[in-house]
Amino acid sequence: SQQGEEDPQALSIQEGENATMNCSYKTSINNLQWYRQNSGRGLVHLILIRSNEREKHSGRLRVTLDTSKKSSSLLITASRAADTASYFCATDSGATNKLIFGTGTLLAVQP
Amino acid sequence: DTEVTQTPKHLVMGMTNKKSLKCEQHMGHRAMYWYKQKAKKPPELMFVYSYEKLSINESVPSRFSPECPNSSLLNLHLHALQPEDSALYLCASSQDGSSGINIQYFGAGTRLSVL
Repeated sequence: SQQGEEDPQALSIQEGENATMNCSYKTSINNLQWYRQNSGRGLVHLILIRSNEREKHSGRLRVTLDTSKKSSSLLITASRAADTASYFCATDSGATNKLIFGTGTLLAVQP
Repeated sequence: DTEVTQTPKHLVMGMTNKKSLKCEQHMGHRAMYWYKQKAKKPPELMFVYSYEKLSINESVPSRFSPECPNSSLLNLHLHALQPEDSALYLCASSQDGSSGINIQYFGAGTRLSVL
């Protein structure tokens, strides 16, 4: 399977703490994206990092990419209860319209 | 408007029924997708339409039949489904991807239960 792996599978933290989730993938990529999914809803695109970038920020989100290790991490700072959701990384080889999703991390932020 | 609209939100059908899921976007996107998602799993790609032509079929059983009537609409026709087909069905769209960037916009999904 080409599917990426994410860890941890589940993460529970207190409001105000930082949350870090990791993604490892198997193939060469053009870019890597992170999506959020609230329970039973559609996915929402959060951030995209290109293969020639090492770090990117967007508001409380920080993404890193290490193409030599085929891995990425998503850091959410100063978490809020509203950040409770599943988070998926998705890799794009650029060759087709296909994204390869990771297994996901379920984040619970306790108020 | 960055919305992808899916109808119905919920669907219960028997194994002998025929039903259709509908998806609509007005963002001018030329690629549209159907995904199937089981609980606590990532979305699994089923079909991709690019410029209204089927470009990817991930070996989906023929009881699922996609249709793209025009650039804004995507349907998924369902016939003789099995209970294991019960899942959340997600539609997504993106620009044509020729720029090398494929950010996908998802609908809220149709929760399908097959009895």
